[in-house]
Amino acid sequence: KAGVTQTPRYLIKTRGQQVTLSCSPISGHRSVSWYQQTPGQGLQFLFEYFSETQRNKGNFPGRFSGRQFSNSRSEMNVSTLELGDSALYLCASSLFGTAYATNEKLFFGSGTQLSVL
Amino acid sequence: GIQVEQSPPDLILQEGANSTLRCNFSDSVNNLQWFHQNPWGQLINLFYIPSGTKQNGRLSATTVATERYSLLYISSSQTTDSGVYFCFMYSGGGADGLTFGKGTHLIIQP
Repeated sequence: KAGVTQTPRYLIKTRGQQVTLSCSPISGHRSVSWYQQTPGQGLQFLFEYFSETQRNKGNFPGRFSGRQFSNSRSEMNVSTLELGDSALYLCASSLFGTAYATNEKLFFGSGTQLSVL
Repeated sequence: GIQVEQSPPDLILQEGANSTLRCNFSDSVNNLQWFHQNPWGQLINLFYIPSGTKQNGRLSATTVATERYSLLYISSSQTTDSGVYFCFMYSGGGADGLTFGKGTHLIIQP
């Protein structure tokens, strides 16, 4: 069974640009969640999608958005990039979502390393 | 939201040594997992363990939910065990209840 696939692996952007990251979950998993990892703040929850609906959103500005498609693949978008958005962005998949079912394990992709110059 | 504290923040050991990593939390949890982040950034799921004890080879984990802590044991450490270990948990209440600890950075020297 293929794991969680994130593309691209690395991205370099300049301030003010926008970026779109992609995540394909494990086959059969319907929940996709996104996390930002920085040296200062650690791993922080961005949002979670299930059946094309956002169910939870972390404390991030509206510049951070996402969506999920009918095949469970998800994208996240960051508009008007700031230097502080430089981070490793990780997505995770699970069957139904850690907040909504028991025995839910998260499986992570390799992440997208975003550098904003 | 739930407060999570991991200790120690850093740990340097020789190959073959044993170690215990700890995660304290401030509220009851519905979901608790341990992850290993390797040097390439990949988070690998080690255990789903909101309560009780589990073992997988040289690794084992114990969560005492009533006392709000979880322990990860690594025996006979190998250099490939190096990396950062995180606990993750969900305590209810939506997004505020989804939290990772700050991690323990483990270095195993040959």
